[in-house]
Amino acid sequence: DQQVKQNSPSLSVQEGRISILNCDYTNSMFDYFLWYKKYPAEGPTFLISISSIKDKNEDGRFTVFLNKSAKHLSLHIVPSQPGDSAVYFCAASGKTGTASKLTFGTGTRLQVTL
Amino acid sequence: GAGVSQSPSNKVTEKGKDVELRCDPISGHTALYWYRQSLGQGLEFLIYFQGNSAPDKSGLPSDRFSAERTGGSVSTLTIQRTQQEDSAVYLCASSIGTHGNTIYFGEGSWLTVV
Repeated sequence: DQQVKQNSPSLSVQEGRISILNCDYTNSMFDYFLWYKKYPAEGPTFLISISSIKDKNEDGRFTVFLNKSAKHLSLHIVPSQPGDSAVYFCAASGKTGTASKLTFGTGTRLQVTL
Repeated sequence: GAGVSQSPSNKVTEKGKDVELRCDPISGHTALYWYRQSLGQGLEFLIYFQGNSAPDKSGLPSDRFSAERTGGSVSTLTIQRTQQEDSAVYLCASSIGTHGNTIYFGEGSWLTVV
């Protein structure tokens, strides 16, 4: 049962354009969401997060949008740069049970082309 | 260093042998997690330690897998009688522990079972 889904395994975007990565979740108890970036042979690096009390969080070129009614979140990268090429994982956690355990999506590989 | 430290970074072992993977979390972090990523897959939760509470072992794939956390700090993940399907990168992470705090990952231990 995949509770966090990233339906696009890969995405290619031209340098300078907007990259939009999508994520859907099924567990209504999730109330904290994070995006991680992973380069080959390295551990995931925290990028940006959002609590369910917000619908938008911005940090520089990165903005995360949360639509609770649709159980959907997205990561926008503007403008995209070649160094953004990596695998992006969406993750979610909820307050019940093991509160901080993250459930991850399967990742989207972003390729930013020149 | 200030980050999550894992060792060994790479391990090649023969099928049937036991392996131990070590994780040294960020100082002051009470929560410690083990995840693994098999080739082409997402991050799979294995086990979670939070302070003195009983660990959440719900993600361990079989009884060949076990983990300990001594003194609330360093953790060891042990895989007994390794199988080829155990080949993956094993990622350790830590956090302050309260819900809504970022989880930080180490670089991972790359395990290859031949």
